[in-house]
Amino acid sequence: GENVEQHPSTLSVQEGDSAVIKCTYSDSASNYFPWYKQELGKGPQLIIDIRSNVGEKKDQRIAVTLNKTAKHFSLHITETQPEDSAVYFCAASRNPRSSYKLIFGSGTRLLVRP
Amino acid sequence: DAGITQSPRHKVTETGTPVTLRCHQTENHRYMYWYRQDPGHGLRLIHYSYGVKDTDKGEVSDGYSVSRSKTEDFLLTLESATSSQTSVYFCAISEPYGGFTDTQYFGPGTRLTVL
Repeated sequence: GENVEQHPSTLSVQEGDSAVIKCTYSDSASNYFPWYKQELGKGPQLIIDIRSNVGEKKDQRIAVTLNKTAKHFSLHITETQPEDSAVYFCAASRNPRSSYKLIFGSGTRLLVRP
Repeated sequence: DAGITQSPRHKVTETGTPVTLRCHQTENHRYMYWYRQDPGHGLRLIHYSYGVKDTDKGEVSDGYSVSRSKTEDFLLTLESATSSQTSVYFCAISEPYGGFTDTQYFGPGTRLTVL
């Protein structure tokens, strides 16, 4: 079945530095790739997503890139701040054939050191 | 949390007892999902619903059942709870039609401990 691998599992950066989290997916028909941020004790919240017809998308300090040939996509956070510290999850789905079901990576715990 | 509530937020129960978790939404979204979150596994789909009385299994459905009698409510039942079902359970909703996107919005979660 579909599988999404996420690396690294933990990431520690100095405030102001950039952070990159990478995911690979197995189903070449996947066409929707969201990224979620989860703070302690809360539910995941969507921070950015990308579809298979787009190679890159930016939203202020956050960007996502997609390489369909290599079947991987990445989250880039620039000028990191302490409030960026959280667990980040990538996910993939092939809509609408999969009934919009998401397959999640195992998560990356990001720590931004002041 | 996009008009999604989950109840209870915390529950401790004993092995072999039935447990029902409730997800309630005020967004009138057609799709609803139940996930469990365990360390090292991310979120895994248990069951989902694509309309009233329309449900289907996810990747980890054994030991769980669901029901959806109204658009706004999606119930997850553990018929006989086991210690392996100790987890944090999240409900999510989405509305992929009518000009909306297929984004899933998550509730605050229910922490379930089975002793």
